[in-house]
Amino acid sequence: DTEVTQTPKHLVMGMTNKKSLKCEQHMGHRAMYWYKQKAKKPPELMFVYSYEKLSINESVPSRFSPECPNSSLLNLHLHALQPEDSALYLCASSQTPGTGRNTEAFFGQGTRLTVV
Amino acid sequence: AQKVTQAQTEISVVEKEDVTLDCVYETRDTTYYLFWYKQPPSGELVFLIRRNSFDEQNEISGRYSWNFQKSTSSFNFTITASQVVDSAVYFCALSEARAGNNRKLIWGLGTSLAVNP
Repeated sequence: DTEVTQTPKHLVMGMTNKKSLKCEQHMGHRAMYWYKQKAKKPPELMFVYSYEKLSINESVPSRFSPECPNSSLLNLHLHALQPEDSALYLCASSQTPGTGRNTEAFFGQGTRLTVV
Repeated sequence: AQKVTQAQTEISVVEKEDVTLDCVYETRDTTYYLFWYKQPPSGELVFLIRRNSFDEQNEISGRYSWNFQKSTSSFNFTITASQVVDSAVYFCALSEARAGNNRKLIWGLGTSLAVNP
């Protein structure tokens, strides 16, 4: 079983709705990520948090708003999405390197989002 | 520029066959990391292996084995005696090993493996 838990598993929302995706990990990891994955494509990095601070934003539209309340939790707030935003949203976590050593990321099962 | 190429888009085998998934990478860094992930239909990306550029030893884990060859910039993955449960999309990925917070993975497009009974 994955140690990264995402809720909800499935979400259908209208273009005027506001919703949030949640991610939780208890592995003591200090880097957390949001990825977006379209069908038959590799994941695309959206955001990276390191020590609860946003360190990478891959030019994601402002209708996606990440939040890292503490070292175990990561949220993605959604507002005014478009149908093309429908995708699998994956959360991941990894140890944070101090000197560039890279470690593997562990992924959650994802939230399948449909925007109608 | 960094790039990962998985030339095989789809592979179909019969159970118990051996299958090799190819991964070729490009990077100008001397220190880098390579990864393989498995994505079953459920959606979760399952970490399989991490290899750093200084460790060219091949690795075996049960029915899985990996062949890392810097001379050909390849990091191929072999499943021996494939099983239906191996059916998934397999991604190869590359990352830099720079100090700081660069956490980006460069992903291949994935190879969809179907193991038929």
